[in-house]
Amino acid sequence: EAQVTQNPRYLITVTGKKLTVTCSQNMNHEYMSWYRQDPGLGLRQIYYSMNVEVTDKGDVPEGYKVSRKEKRNFPLILESPSPNQTSLYFCASSFRRTGDGYTFGSGTRLTVV
Amino acid sequence: TQLLEQSPQFLSIQEGENLTVYCNSSSVFSSLQWYRQEPGEGPVLLVTVVTGGEVKKLKRLTFQFGDARKDSSLHITAAQTGDTGLYLCAGIPGGSYIPTFGRGTSLIVHP
Repeated sequence: EAQVTQNPRYLITVTGKKLTVTCSQNMNHEYMSWYRQDPGLGLRQIYYSMNVEVTDKGDVPEGYKVSRKEKRNFPLILESPSPNQTSLYFCASSFRRTGDGYTFGSGTRLTVV
Repeated sequence: TQLLEQSPQFLSIQEGENLTVYCNSSSVFSSLQWYRQEPGEGPVLLVTVVTGGEVKKLKRLTFQFGDARKDSSLHITAAQTGDTGLYLCAGIPGGSYIPTFGRGTSLIVHP
């Protein structure tokens, strides 16, 4: 089944404890992206990657890191999480063609206390 | 600055009613996508419209792209409880494949 897999689905952590949210897709998509979704603010792009070893900042990159060492994986790293990073996170992927839609993962609900 | 404005923000209706949600922008898009997101899940692509004036139908859902490719609408006929969810539009600027999302319309259909 074609899908984007995120792990974990739920995570509660403490301020300052480094964490990684994994994302993997099995559709050979070149393009991958991370979003956070907050009430009243909608989906905001954190980082995106057009291909292996190519990453770029989205609208809200502060406090996050990403890497794209393999085509299928695009982990999101929070080096020192803070409470304002409590949010619902989505990974998404697509082919690099105008009009192709995203396939989204099921989301990771992160709480930083 | 939000490039895509969706309205209404919230909509609560009874099963069987018709509804229309809107997605407006001052920018021109090469294409526009509509997604539906159910609670606890990621958005799922419903349709992509690419030609100004284009109308696409997906069962009871009708999508229209404005002639100037700046706006779009989603009309649902005879809404069902299964239509409940967050409807998101996403515009793709010319020369890009990176969408800009609106904030969504949250629809609740009561039995």
